[in-house]
Amino acid sequence: SQQGEEDPQALSIQEGENATMNCSYKTSINNLQWYRQNSGRGLVHLILIRSNEREKHSGRLRVTLDTSKKSSSLLITASRAADTASYFCATARKNSGAGSYQLTFGKGTKLSVIP
Amino acid sequence: ETGVTQSPTHLIKTRGQQVTLRCSSQSGHNTVSWYQQALGQGPQFIFQYYREEENGRGNFPPRFSGLQFPNYSSELNVNALELDDSALYLCASSGTVNEQFFGPGTRLTVL
Repeated sequence: SQQGEEDPQALSIQEGENATMNCSYKTSINNLQWYRQNSGRGLVHLILIRSNEREKHSGRLRVTLDTSKKSSSLLITASRAADTASYFCATARKNSGAGSYQLTFGKGTKLSVIP
Repeated sequence: ETGVTQSPTHLIKTRGQQVTLRCSSQSGHNTVSWYQQALGQGPQFIFQYYREEENGRGNFPPRFSGLQFPNYSSELNVNALELDDSALYLCASSGTVNEQFFGPGTRLTVL
């Protein structure tokens, strides 16, 4: 089942504008991650924010996390045509055994940046 | 550093057949996770392997099974294929950090 819900489902903006995508989730998390996917290909990791962090920056990306509201937002500033892709938030929960985290993805936001 | 690779890229099968998908993890990574992504949806967690043992499973029936080998590469096997199994299958490898590195995926079509 999908835990994260991205909003909006689709977003179309002009090059140079900022794009904001939101994500809501339901259960407690260890961290929340944002991924990008171009045309049904593999996912590219963008940024990770831990449950005890409120804001994080990476280049033109800014992520916020509000654990009390179980929500996160991804802001892409000064968008470019190359930013056109689907963006997914994924909540991470540690598996009971050793190893890595289990990611639960939302349905994604399809971003179109018009040159 | 070699990234995550998957084979084959595309595959067409008929209902009832069996399929094996392969994934080579990134160098130094001992954990592989598999995800199914239906068209227009986000990826859904199938299962994870850590040091050759299954370490967490999503809501998928037993006809979805897997293996991890001593070199940490992995296979996903699906028996008795159904039309709804048509999807992009993604594997991701990870090491000691939280980030998972995804392969390009295998597009499976079941006719």
